[in-house]
Amino acid sequence: EAGVTQFPSHSVIEKGQTVTLRCDPISGHDNLYWYRRVMGKEIKFLLHFVKESKQDESGMPNNRFLAERTGGTYSTLKVQPAELEDSGVYFCASSQENRGHEQFFGPGTRLTVL
Amino acid sequence: KQEVTQIPAALSVPEGENLVLNCSFTDSAIYNLQWFRQDPGKGLTSLLLIQSSQREQTSGRLNASLDKSSGRSTLYIAASQPGDSATYLCAVKGWNRDDKIIFGKGTRLHILP
Repeated sequence: EAGVTQFPSHSVIEKGQTVTLRCDPISGHDNLYWYRRVMGKEIKFLLHFVKESKQDESGMPNNRFLAERTGGTYSTLKVQPAELEDSGVYFCASSQENRGHEQFFGPGTRLTVL
Repeated sequence: KQEVTQIPAALSVPEGENLVLNCSFTDSAIYNLQWFRQDPGKGLTSLLLIQSSQREQTSGRLNASLDKSSGRSTLYIAASQPGDSATYLCAVKGWNRDDKIIFGKGTRLHILP
């Protein structure tokens, strides 16, 4: 089976611009998670979708971040406007109940805000 | 609030040695614990997942143990190889099966040829 894919792999933007990251989970996985690792810190949870519904968005840093999962398939994470401290690696993961809820991670998107 | 700590932060050992990476967590009410590997510029590769009811898992030269009551896990790597050089991350999942994963900061491992 195909794994979790993320696009783009790298993005370099200027402060104040908008960036949209995309995640395609493993087919059939209802649970989709976004995580972020900023320089020198541990990977931290951002939010969790179950199908198209937001189950937990307690990790979203502020209202400049907007995540969607229309139709319960792929998800997008938009940062608008981007700030310098948003730089980091954004990971997406998916899981399914019949796999013991093990989360499978994508390769990440490295975001650099100049 | 769950916190995950990994010691040491970095480790260099000669090729062929056996080694142990340590992970501790503050809340023993976990659903599972997972060890990941991350290579520079790459994503996360799941190495071993231990359910809360299990004590250990093995895969090839890797063995992970879990002592939930003391809030500890270890990752044992036997006969280390240069290809084992990477950052190893420990992560725990909360009691509810859909809970988010809490990560440690990782141990950067360098195997000297």
